[in-house]
Formats: sequence, C-alpha cells, structure tokens
Amino acid sequence: QQPVQSPQAVILREGEDAVINCSSSKALYSVHWYRQKHGEAPVFLMILLKGGEQKGHEKISASFNEKKQQSSLYLTASQLSYSGTYFCGSGSSGSARQLTFGSGTQLTVLP
Amino acid sequence: NAGVTQTPKFRILKIGQSMTLQCTQDMNHNYMYWYRQDPGMGLKLIYYSVGAGITDKGEVPNGYNVSRSTTEDFPLRLELAAPSQTSVYFCASKELNTGELFFGEGSRLTVL
Repeated sequence: QQPVQSPQAVILREGEDAVINCSSSKALYSVHWYRQKHGEAPVFLMILLKGGEQKGHEKISASFNEKKQQSSLYLTASQLSYSGTYFCGSGSSGSARQLTFGSGTQLTVLP
Repeated sequence: NAGVTQTPKFRILKIGQSMTLQCTQDMNHNYMYWYRQDPGMGLKLIYYSVGAGITDKGEVPNGYNVSRSTTEDFPLRLELAAPSQTSVYFCASKELNTGELFFGEGSRLTVL
C-alpha cells in the first residue's frame, strides 16, 4: 500500500517556506524523499531510518515520526530551483526490499 | 560513469505486440527495480530484484515479466501490449549503504 502525500500541489513565492507531509497506514521502517523535475528522472534527497530522526540537506530537511507513521519534508526560503514534484517512498521491512512511492506533491516556486 | 542505462528511450507499439525494455547498471548493485509513471502520477512498482536469479512482484505486475540472469541487467518484458501500458518506465538500482535509488532516464512507451 502506497503512502499518502499532502498537499497535492503548492505554489510559493521565492523565499517562502513549505511543508510536505507523508503518511502510511502500515508500519514504516524507512522514509525516502525524491524530487523530480519535468521530463527527468527522480533524484534522491534523503532517507530517514529511525523514529524522530531529522535530516537536512542545505535548506531542505525532513522528520520521521515512526510511531505516527508520518514524515514531513521542510523547504525553507524556497529557491526557484526547488520547483518540481516531490515523492515520498516507504519501506516496510528491515531490508526495505519493496519501496513504494506516494502520488507526489507538485511544488511551484515563482519569482 | 554510466550509472543506470535504459533502452530504448522512446517506442511506439501496436496493440498485441511484445517488446523488452533493457536496463543495465555498472555500480554492482544487487537491488534493482522497475517502476511505471503515468502522466501526472506517481511511481508504481512493477517488479524488483534483490540479486541475480531472484525477482518478485510489486504493486502492478500484470502484463509484465522480468528476469535477472546477471547483476548488471534487469530487462522488463511486455507481453501482448495494451493501451493501458502507455507510460514512462523507470529502472532503478539501489545503493544499500545509503538506501539511495539511482534511476535511469526512463523509457517512454506508447501503445496504439
């Protein structure tokens, strides 16, 4: 069962912040975040493995609440280059063999 | 560094035809995946493999078959193509140490 993402779409002005949420009805072992630009392949952002873990990549960070089976991606001071579709992927076992993705959140950053 | 290479990039099929999408990686990754992405939608897992000789079904395996005879190659075969299989297909391999998926550029398939 694939994770559920919200919102489906976000429009921001450059410099504004955004939060993208990802939740699952199944127990999560790991949460993966990817960004896809139009016409391109998805690109890895980060993976979170432990409950309550937070990670960051420049001005993009994420949290993972294992008990609530939720993850959130935080984009601060958005840049034009942040535009794209963000996907969360969930792994439900220790090996995370089967990685399923949510339907995506389309983020548009305007000048 | 080639990474994950998919061929062909584009293909048009007629209903009922069969074809194989090729995927090869040069990173010695054991885990490999095939996803399909319909327009404006997310990635759906078709099949995956955790090593040579081992494959398993994902979310949407019907109408597809895979094989994994070597670590490098993971071809996806479409039998009796249907319009519902019109999609962009992505192959990916996984770096186990980091969990990162490396995607190929995609193969855009149209079934008419």
